[in-house]
Amino acid sequence: QVKLQQWGAGLLKPSETLSLTCTVYGGSFSGYYWNWIRQAPGMGLEWIGEINHSGNTFYNPSLKSRLTISVDTSSNHVSLTLSSVTAADTAIYYCARLNYNYYFDFWGRGTLVTVSS
Amino acid sequence: NFMLTQPPSVSESPGKTVTISCTRSSGSIASNYVQWYQQRPGSFPTTVIYEDYQRPSGVPDRFSGSIDSSSNSASLTISELKTEDEADYYCQSYDATNRVFGGGTKLTVL
Repeated sequence: QVKLQQWGAGLLKPSETLSLTCTVYGGSFSGYYWNWIRQAPGMGLEWIGEINHSGNTFYNPSLKSRLTISVDTSSNHVSLTLSSVTAADTAIYYCARLNYNYYFDFWGRGTLVTVSS
Repeated sequence: NFMLTQPPSVSESPGKTVTISCTRSSGSIASNYVQWYQQRPGSFPTTVIYEDYQRPSGVPDRFSGSIDSSSNSASLTISELKTEDEADYYCQSYDATNRVFGGGTKLTVL
């Protein structure tokens, strides 16, 4: 069974850099796109971006200038970095696997990141 | 970039049927598959429909999906509503470089 375990800092000040990591346990790491998705409190889902095992990335245009998603295939890690955060970046951040049928089939439990001075 | 527009909320009684729409702002709804996710409070989303109308294993056949090219929209229909169906529902699709979620629809079963 595939399991996605996330970790990272949950409280940031404005202008700091958000860093989260998602480790994939079980199943194959290569051959899939690994995604980050966020959900602000009381709001809907927002796609952040994705990466595959070769490092090919696609980013949400609205976040692209501040966003880096990277992969470490030796440890099955997928990392998210978002610079210059503001209160608008406060959200639950999920990592999720995109499967061959175009849907997100495995999700991490989510990490609440709060940006506050 | 395109957008997916859903009604903010719908409500219906147990045992009835409800349909949630998802309209694509540009580009054909038929050009890329549509997925539907259910999200209960405090939990991550789970897939109820993928590839427009397919159901993942374990999702009851009370859930069905369709697309309508004339209105450039997708629909999720839930029949024989149960109180446990009360949740937020999100449609999702993509193009060559982006994945897009609809704004979500809160389903109330009362």
